[in-house]
Amino acid sequence: AQKVTQAQTEISVVEKEDVTLDCVYETRDTTYYLFWYKQPPSGELVFLIRRNSFDEQNEISGRYSWNFQKSTSSFNFTITASQVVDSAVYFCALMNNNAGNMLTFGGGTRLMVKP
Amino acid sequence: SAVISQKPSRDICQRGTSLTIQCQVDSQVTMMFWYRQQPGQSLTLIATANQGSEATYESGFVIDKFPISRPNLTFSTLTVSNMSPEDSSIYLCSVEETAGETQYFGPGTRLLVL
Repeated sequence: AQKVTQAQTEISVVEKEDVTLDCVYETRDTTYYLFWYKQPPSGELVFLIRRNSFDEQNEISGRYSWNFQKSTSSFNFTITASQVVDSAVYFCALMNNNAGNMLTFGGGTRLMVKP
Repeated sequence: SAVISQKPSRDICQRGTSLTIQCQVDSQVTMMFWYRQQPGQSLTLIATANQGSEATYESGFVIDKFPISRPNLTFSTLTVSNMSPEDSSIYLCSVEETAGETQYFGPGTRLLVL
């Protein structure tokens, strides 16, 4: 069985602060994919990143960065110099091809960035 | 990535009625999925919409309550039948252009059942 845990249900920061959203996953398979999605108040799910289990290189995209560590089954997401527009619910998700490409979502972390 | 639209974007319905939600993609895709997001909760997969055959439902979801159609590679519908207030949720469709690749989501349909 697969499981994704986002222990932080809600985080509040002040603009320009850095913030890290935690994601821990469980799977028995050696091949899997990890994702982060952003859900702003409008409700649409916006794809941010996809990472396969064989690629542990950290990734940076502008103010966003991701730290994938298989040893701790974690795939954490850091926003540097947060902005009010970053306020949203962020979901971490796991896909295992042996599970019919089903995405298993974490519970989500609501990030509030205050001016 | 594919452009996905959903109709309606939102609706308010009376209990006991049914609502059909449409998902349209601007290109042919291999996989289409339907999710439910109850208020304040995460996303739960309802079913995989299979082109030309019956949908594959996840545990806890049945065809009589959530009939799904997928007549071609760009279109699918989800019907929420005999609605109750507990069906109030956001319903989202998602697509994979190629099986096993990234899932992209539509804008969602916000449903309120009174």
